Amino acid sequence: GDSVTQMEGPVTLSEEAFLTINCTYTATGYPSLFWYVQYPGEGLQLLLKATKADDKGSNKGFEATYRKETTSFHLEKGSVQVSDSAVYFCALSLVGTSYDKVIFGPGTSLSVIP
Amino acid sequence: NAGVMQNPRHLVRRRGQEARLRCSPVKGHSHVYWYRQLPEEGLKFMVYLQKENIIDESGMPKERFSAEFPKEGPSILRIQQVVRGDSAAYFCASSGTSGTFTGELFFGEGSRLTVL
Repeated sequence: GDSVTQMEGPVTLSEEAFLTINCTYTATGYPSLFWYVQYPGEGLQLLLKATKADDKGSNKGFEATYRKETTSFHLEKGSVQVSDSAVYFCALSLVGTSYDKVIFGPGTSLSVIP
Repeated sequence: NAGVMQNPRHLVRRRGQEARLRCSPVKGHSHVYWYRQLPEEGLKFMVYLQKENIIDESGMPKERFSAEFPKEGPSILRIQQVVRGDSAAYFCASSGTSGTFTGELFFGEGSRLTVL
């Protein structure tokens, strides 16, 4: 079935380090791909998205490229800040005839230390 | 604020009581999703509703849990006879109508249920 797999956390980085959070997916159709971020005590909010192969989503210094050949959507940031400490969720969506499906990965917790 | 509104933000119940969580979607949205998040765990899908219809409740426990999204008013997640294991954050999300679905979900800030 359709699913999303993320690298396990928690991930701890020093400020200004390079970040990669891996995400791979399995889907029967042609999904759109998303990264959501959840800051402590809050709900999820969309960070970036890509709707077709080779699209690159970007926001707040984060980037992810939709790689159909490797079924991946890895999240990257060149220089993390303490304020980036949060849980990051990779997700896919599939538009159906009667059911629009959204599937989330398990989340990866990131802690950035000064 | 036209975002997803959830209330209450915090709810404390004793074992055996009922918990009722409400969610008002983004104005104009007719799809509502409920998720549960246990401490230090990811999001677990519970139920997907459209106005007056339950589309997918495959993530809902078979007993004690129910959800509705009436024609008028907010979506309600109802937990009867709560137990300590129900303590969690419950998140509601909404999306646009069929035909305009982009895949993006808009989340509320969650309702945190504590069962004593």
